[in-house]
Amino acid sequence: QSVLTQPPSVSAAPGQRVTISCSGGSSNIGSNYVSWYQQLPGTVPRLLIYDNNKRPSGIPDRFSGSKSGTSATLVITGLQTGDEADYYCGTWDTSLSGGVFGGGTKLTVL
Amino acid sequence: QLQLQESGPGLVKPSETLSLTCSVSGVSISSSSYYWGWIRQPPGKGLEWIGGIYYSGSTYYNPSLKSRVTLSVDTSKNQFSLHLSSVTAADTAVYYCARQSYGYFDSWSGYSNWFDPWGLGTVVTVSS
Repeated sequence: QSVLTQPPSVSAAPGQRVTISCSGGSSNIGSNYVSWYQQLPGTVPRLLIYDNNKRPSGIPDRFSGSKSGTSATLVITGLQTGDEADYYCGTWDTSLSGGVFGGGTKLTVL
Repeated sequence: QLQLQESGPGLVKPSETLSLTCSVSGVSISSSSYYWGWIRQPPGKGLEWIGGIYYSGSTYYNPSLKSRVTLSVDTSKNQFSLHLSSVTAADTAVYYCARQSYGYFDSWSGYSNWFDPWGLGTVVTVSS
């Protein structure tokens, strides 16, 4: 069971907007930065968002992140079929003194 | 361009030690202010952080694996390694190495911890 909780799946139509939630606690999301990763089928995870809302170079601004309290959200706008992937949130857990990930959310673009 | 590549046996027997090496190219491990981390992904499952090491040898381990994990770094070869002892079938996974950005900002912001880039991953199967 993951320390961070994500919905197992979400879906939306091309061109639409989708949100993926990541829920944690005071020792992880509540007190540390959050990152997000995209794992396309059969590929390596790729960093999408770091430090809650920063995008690495090369990541389209269709991807955005935010944090409020002990939860974080990844928003993808203008959905494309190529966005179908598993998405993971991650952060540091101060109580565990270690990195933690969410269980992952499978995005289906209908 | 920074690249990481995992190497090691693809098959390990139960109760033995899994040993993997991550070779880093494009940047010197010892000149970087980053940690270097290991993450694994069991078949069909999510990501699990294993641990991270700084070029000085400072380490952080996943508490659930701490008793079986040892990370080491060889700056002369620009490599870092993972050793996981007493493996079982539950340790079967794709093992990734990655550059780990880790640091403490302040009491308001807390810790930053993220992974980029990642190696291609190596499949390790634990079976007799």
